[in-house]
Amino acid sequence: SQTIHQWPATLVQPVGSPLSLECTVEGTSNPNLYWYRQAAGRGLQLLFYSVGIGQISSEVPQNLSASRPQDRQFILSSKKLLLSDSGFYLCAWAEIPGLAVGTSGRTYNEQFFGPGTRLTVL
Amino acid sequence: KQEVTQIPAALSVPEGENLVLNCSFTDSAIYNLQWFRQDPGKGLTSLLLIQSSQREQTSGRLNASLDKSSGRSTLYIAASQPGDSATYLCASHSGAGSYQLTFGKGTKLSVIP
Repeated sequence: SQTIHQWPATLVQPVGSPLSLECTVEGTSNPNLYWYRQAAGRGLQLLFYSVGIGQISSEVPQNLSASRPQDRQFILSSKKLLLSDSGFYLCAWAEIPGLAVGTSGRTYNEQFFGPGTRLTVL
Repeated sequence: KQEVTQIPAALSVPEGENLVLNCSFTDSAIYNLQWFRQDPGKGLTSLLLIQSSQREQTSGRLNASLDKSSGRSTLYIAASQPGDSATYLCASHSGAGSYQLTFGKGTKLSVIP
């Protein structure tokens, strides 16, 4: 079965410090990968998505960046954190388009989320 | 641009009651709609996904319906239990070429024993 891991679970960082959050997926190959942020009182905001190694698309211009060095690894980074970067960061995966429905028993493009990382910037 | 709205923002019901959570979307050209549950401080758990060609999906005590023409989806929870207390989120997926889910802000459900 597929599982998704995120670490760390919680992080407290000073303003101006760097950031690295990691997400890994097990039990699937070549998934779509996503980074979302959930801020207090706001809905989930898509930050980045990736359809393959080294392929990153940004949805929101900001001081964050993402990388996908391996097929099932997705990293969210920042060189200098801002107070506004505080929030709950969620990684998600989905089967890539084109896979036959039922290959894994999953419905095409259903997204599955990790446990999240709570980031507080002070 | 797709907008997804969930009303009410919070709902409190006594245990055992049947309830309906509402989700509306502005662009009816959706590819599918997904319902999630989020417990406090946790990630999202996928509950049901309805493809655009479907009218409803069922899983246990949960039934989700989709009416594209009216831009609405509902999540029906039968015989609610205290363990159902959580925030429920709906999200629309706008097409095979799109990789983005558009989320509502959720309905926080409290089931009172």
